[in-house]
Amino acid sequence: GAGVSQSPSNKVTEKGKDVELRCDPISGHTALYWYRQSLGQGLEFLIYFQGNSAPDKSGLPSDRFSAERTGGSVSTLTIQRTQQEDSAVYLCASSLGRPLYNEQFFGPGTRLTVL
Amino acid sequence: KNEVEQSPQNLTAQEGEFITINCSYSVGISALHWLQQHPGGGIVSLFMLSSGKKKHGRLIATINIQEKHSSLHITASHPRDSAVYICGRGGADGLTFGKGTHLIIQP
Repeated sequence: GAGVSQSPSNKVTEKGKDVELRCDPISGHTALYWYRQSLGQGLEFLIYFQGNSAPDKSGLPSDRFSAERTGGSVSTLTIQRTQQEDSAVYLCASSLGRPLYNEQFFGPGTRLTVL
Repeated sequence: KNEVEQSPQNLTAQEGEFITINCSYSVGISALHWLQQHPGGGIVSLFMLSSGKKKHGRLIATINIQEKHSSLHITASHPRDSAVYICGRGGADGLTFGKGTHLIIQP
């Protein structure tokens, strides 16, 4: 079956613009995760969803970041008023069952460049 | 201070060698994740464990809950094992990752 897909694969934007990143999880996966990987930095956990609910949003870097999930499927990560430090690869993953306790399947990522 | 520390940061070895990558964490876990990322490639989950030992092919992961330590072993290493290996601590607050171990296996 299809894996996790993300779009766009690459996004170049100007500082101050808003961007929206999309994740399509594996069908039937109830848990969905967003991560960020910056050049030279490690993998950073941002947020996870169980169904449409995100129990803890404290991992989001600032209030310019928001995420939502609808219909227990597609999720969008929105970054408002982008800054250069937002440049990174944004990764999405999904899993069956209880979040954080099951194997995660990763998407290919969206490379965001803020000029 | 990162809650998850990996060692070594970089490792170069010859094909066939037995490889060990270590991961230590300071806060209790619900699960410990090992991920693999090939150069320019995506991330693959290798193991998720909360106790004992798991084996998949030439890869073995162990965890000692009391010592807050996990190891990833690769037997009969091969150049295709060259990748970054990332350890992640799962807890109620999400996942915290180490900075990764960059492994190069030379033929």
